[in-house]
Amino acid sequence: GENVEQHPSTLSVQEGDSAVIKCTYSDSASNYFPWYKQELGKRPQLIIDIRSNVGEKKDQRIAVTLNKTAKHFSLHITETQPEDSAVYFCAAVSNSGYALNFGKGTSLLVTP
Amino acid sequence: DAGVTQSPTHLIKTRGQQVTLRCSPKSGHDTVSWYQQALGQGPQFIFQYYEEEERQRGNFPDRFSGHQFPNYSSELNVNALLLGDSALYLCASSFGGNSPLHFGNGTRLTVT
Repeated sequence: GENVEQHPSTLSVQEGDSAVIKCTYSDSASNYFPWYKQELGKRPQLIIDIRSNVGEKKDQRIAVTLNKTAKHFSLHITETQPEDSAVYFCAAVSNSGYALNFGKGTSLLVTP
Repeated sequence: DAGVTQSPTHLIKTRGQQVTLRCSPKSGHDTVSWYQQALGQGPQFIFQYYEEEERQRGNFPDRFSGHQFPNYSSELNVNALLLGDSALYLCASSFGGNSPLHFGNGTRLTVT
């Protein structure tokens, strides 16, 4: 089955800096890659997603890039703010299934 | 427009007991997936229900079973509870199999 690895596990940045979280996947048939933000005690919330026919997608301060050849995708957050502090999860879905396979998460801390 | 709702929010059970968790999908959604999230980990796929049938199952024992009703709501049942079943159980709904998942707030299950 699909295996998703996520790095780093923790990330601390100064307010205004950029943050980058990287994920790799094992199943070359994967075709959908969402990113979720989970604040303490709350539900995971979809922040951005990308499909395999696109190399990059941007939504204001958040962008995701996908390299299908290398089987990795990354989340980029620019001009970070303290309210960006949360755990971020990447995930991948194979076109042969319906299960979201999640990485182990990155705990992002943005300090003022 | 109500999002995904889950009940109960918290539950404490004793080892060996059985538990039933409930989920109502977001309006317009017809597919329900269940995930288990252990502390400090990413969500793990349990199974997905579509048209009242289990469409895909993750690597969970038969003690975990589910059901989807004609109104698209769903139940997760866990028999013979183990201490290791203590986790946050998340329900997610979508329209079809691979559209973006919307998560509920989860049910925190503690097995003592």
